[in-house]
Amino acid sequence: SQTIHQWPATLVQPVGSPLSLECTVEGTSNPNLYWYRQAAGRGLQLLFYSVGIGQISSEVPQNLSASRPQDRQFILSSKKLLLSDSGFYLCAWSEGTTGAYEQYFGPGTRLTVT
Amino acid sequence: AQSVTQLDSQVPVFEEAPVELRCNYSSSVSVYLFWYVQYPNQGLQLLLKYLSGSTLVESINGFEAEFNKSQTSFHLRKPSVHISDTAEYFCAVRRGGYNKLIFGAGTRLAVHP
Repeated sequence: SQTIHQWPATLVQPVGSPLSLECTVEGTSNPNLYWYRQAAGRGLQLLFYSVGIGQISSEVPQNLSASRPQDRQFILSSKKLLLSDSGFYLCAWSEGTTGAYEQYFGPGTRLTVT
Repeated sequence: AQSVTQLDSQVPVFEEAPVELRCNYSSSVSVYLFWYVQYPNQGLQLLLKYLSGSTLVESINGFEAEFNKSQTSFHLRKPSVHISDTAEYFCAVRRGGYNKLIFGAGTRLAVHP
């Protein structure tokens, strides 16, 4: 069966510091991968998605970037964090080729920028 | 442009009472609809989905949702809720290629004893 991991689970970082959040998927090949941010009391905002190694699409302009160095690894980064980057970050995957449309989510990383 | 509207931000209900969480969507293409549940400080879990076929879809824990094309709705219902159903519920519609989803703002279901 497929599993998705995110780490760290929680993170407190000062303004201006760098960020690296990691997501890995097991049990599937060539998945579509997604990064979402969920601000307190709000819905999910799609930040990036990827359909293959090295292929990243950005949904909104922002202070963050994403990379996919391996088929089942997705990284969210920032060079200098802003207070507005605080939130709950969720990674998700979906089947890349079979026509199954649902996404499956990881446990999330709660980021607090101080 | 596709969008999802969840009409209630919070729904308080007593245990064993019925509940309906409302979701309306707008889409100009084939519709694939989903309900997800999120417990505090956790990721989202797929509750149920409508892709095609029967307009009434059910989950394993007693929830059901009905796709209504004429009313562009996909409301979630449960005839008798439990304390453990307390969570946030998100409605979503598939948006274009690569299985991207658009989510509603969420409905917080609070079940009281």
